[in-house]
Amino acid sequence: GNSVTQMEGPVTLSEEAFLTINCTYTATGYPSLFWYVQYPGEGLQLLLKATKADDKGSNKGFEATYRKETTSFHLEKGSVQVSDSAVYFCALSDRGGSSASKIIFGSGTRLSIRP
Amino acid sequence: KAGVTQTPRYLIKTRGQQVTLSCSPISGHRSVSWYQQTPGQGLQFLFEYFSETQRNKGNFPGRFSGRQFSNSRSEMNVSTLELGDSALYLCASSHPDRDTEAFFGQGTRLTVV
Repeated sequence: GNSVTQMEGPVTLSEEAFLTINCTYTATGYPSLFWYVQYPGEGLQLLLKATKADDKGSNKGFEATYRKETTSFHLEKGSVQVSDSAVYFCALSDRGGSSASKIIFGSGTRLSIRP
Repeated sequence: KAGVTQTPRYLIKTRGQQVTLSCSPISGHRSVSWYQQTPGQGLQFLFEYFSETQRNKGNFPGRFSGRQFSNSRSEMNVSTLELGDSALYLCASSHPDRDTEAFFGQGTRLTVV
């Protein structure tokens, strides 16, 4: 079945460092890909998305490119801030034949940024 | 525009009891999905409702059930609670005519003692 694998955490960086969180997926068909972020005690917020191959999603300085040839959707940010500390989830939409849909999530990567 | 609203935010129940959680989707969204988040299993899909019909179901026992009302509000019920049901339960809504992008509520934190 469809699945998402993302790099294990926790990841600790200094402020203004470059961030990469790796994500690869296994899917039949052409899923949409997402990065969600979860701040402490909160639900999930959509950070960015890409719906087809070579699309680049971007938001708040974060970027990810849908790479079908490598089945990857790595999250990057050029200069992280303390406020970026959160748990990041890579995910794909799994749309069934009846148009039913569910989101399949990776295990999450906890990111901590030191001042 | 109001977001997805889940009530209550926190709940403590005793093993063997049952519980009902509520979710109000974003106005105009007719699809509502439920997810369970635990430290050990991560985020797992429970079920999806669309126009009052369950159209997708995850791999959970029959103790977990749900329903959707004509105004798209949804409830999920867990009967005969077990300690392992302690989790953050997240509801998500999406628009039927757009991408499968889902908007999540803040969740209900259920603790079973």
